[in-house]
Amino acid sequence: ILNVEQSPQSLHVQEGDSTNFTCSFPSSNFYALHWYRWETAKSPEALFVMTLNGDEKKKGRISATLNTKEGYSYLYIKGSQPEDSATYLCASPEGSSGATNKLIFGTGTLLAVQP
Amino acid sequence: GAGVSQSPRYKVAKRGQDVALRCDPISGHVSLFWYQQALGQGPEFLTYFQNEAQLDKSGLPSDRFFAERPEGSVSTLKIQRTQQEDSAVYLCASSFTGRSDQPQHFGDGTRLSIL
Repeated sequence: ILNVEQSPQSLHVQEGDSTNFTCSFPSSNFYALHWYRWETAKSPEALFVMTLNGDEKKKGRISATLNTKEGYSYLYIKGSQPEDSATYLCASPEGSSGATNKLIFGTGTLLAVQP
Repeated sequence: GAGVSQSPRYKVAKRGQDVALRCDPISGHVSLFWYQQALGQGPEFLTYFQNEAQLDKSGLPSDRFFAERPEGSVSTLKIQRTQQEDSAVYLCASSFTGRSDQPQHFGDGTRLSIL
């Protein structure tokens, strides 16, 4: 059974701090890694889908890297703002063929940015 | 609307009652997913449709859970004889291609409370 783990479980930072958190997954049978942001009372929003080892993606102040050989991805937020407060979820599909959409999620990292 | 729509947003039911949760995916999206998110956990896969075909229902926790998508668009998740452990947020997501290297688009969820 695919096991996706995230750390830390929660993080409290001050406005303007840069921060990062980790998603780890089994390196064998890797196909894709998804990152989502889930703000309270809203729907989870897709940030990135990454497939290639060494891939880096960026969206505004948020970026992510992927290491499929060692089975981890980092999400970075530069200059955190209060509106970045959310739960950040990563997920990987079960199976390596790409034909399955059964995403296995981690438990998330809850980020709180204080003004 | 442009996004995935779920109704109701909140549902309170007494133990033993049947409930039905509705999901209206993004128009033209072939794939539709249901997830269950218990407090403090990440979303857990329940079932997956490609058009009207239910291709994977391995995550449904018991035979009290039933999902359908008869015309390949709107889907209903039905829970019969609800139990307290069914209390959770139920998320619906859709994607255009059904491939796992494409992001899923989520609704706001239905928060189900069983008394």
